[in-house]
Amino acid sequence: GQQVMQIPQYQHVQEGEDFTTYCNSSTTLSNIQWYKQRPGGHPVFLIQLVKSGEVKKQKRLTFQFGEAKKNSSLHITATQTTDVGTYFCASYAGNNRKLIWGLGTSLAVNP
Amino acid sequence: DADVTQTPRNRITKTGKRIMLECSQTKGHDRMYWYRQDPGLGLRLIYYSFDVKDINKGEISDGYSVSRQAQAKFSLSLESAIPNQTALYFCATSGRSGSSYNEQFFGPGTRLTVL
Repeated sequence: GQQVMQIPQYQHVQEGEDFTTYCNSSTTLSNIQWYKQRPGGHPVFLIQLVKSGEVKKQKRLTFQFGEAKKNSSLHITATQTTDVGTYFCASYAGNNRKLIWGLGTSLAVNP
Repeated sequence: DADVTQTPRNRITKTGKRIMLECSQTKGHDRMYWYRQDPGLGLRLIYYSFDVKDINKGEISDGYSVSRQAQAKFSLSLESAIPNQTALYFCATSGRSGSSYNEQFFGPGTRLTVL
């Protein structure tokens, strides 16, 4: 079945450095969603990409969907301590009834 | 008030006990989901429901059962709890709209410990 691989599993950065997490699939994805889970919290929806090559920005966050719709990335410019958490990518399976989740990338930011 | 609520927030129980986790939502969504989260394993789907009469198993349904009492309520039961069911459990909802790819809204989670 459809799988979504996410790398890296963990990343530590100094405050002010950039951060990127990648999501890859061997099959074409119909869409990709990104969620953030703060420590001790619950996942919160950030954004959804649907179109091939789509790029969306939210302040310091840039989300991309690959041309072949098999990969996606989340890039954070100049990280801040408020960016700490786990970032998950997810995609609806072919029947659009359930999300297939990546394992997440945990980001730690040293002040 | 929170749109998706879960009770209890924390629960410690013993092996063999029956446990029910409850989820309620005021978002008017028809789709509801139960996930479990374990360190390093991400979010795994236990059960999902698209309406009161549409309940489906997820990838790890063994040892669990669910009840959709109403559009707004979706309960998860552990008939006979075992230690490896110790985890963080999340309920989530999503709505139906013109797009099929709806975002999911999560409750605050229930931390369950089975001794």
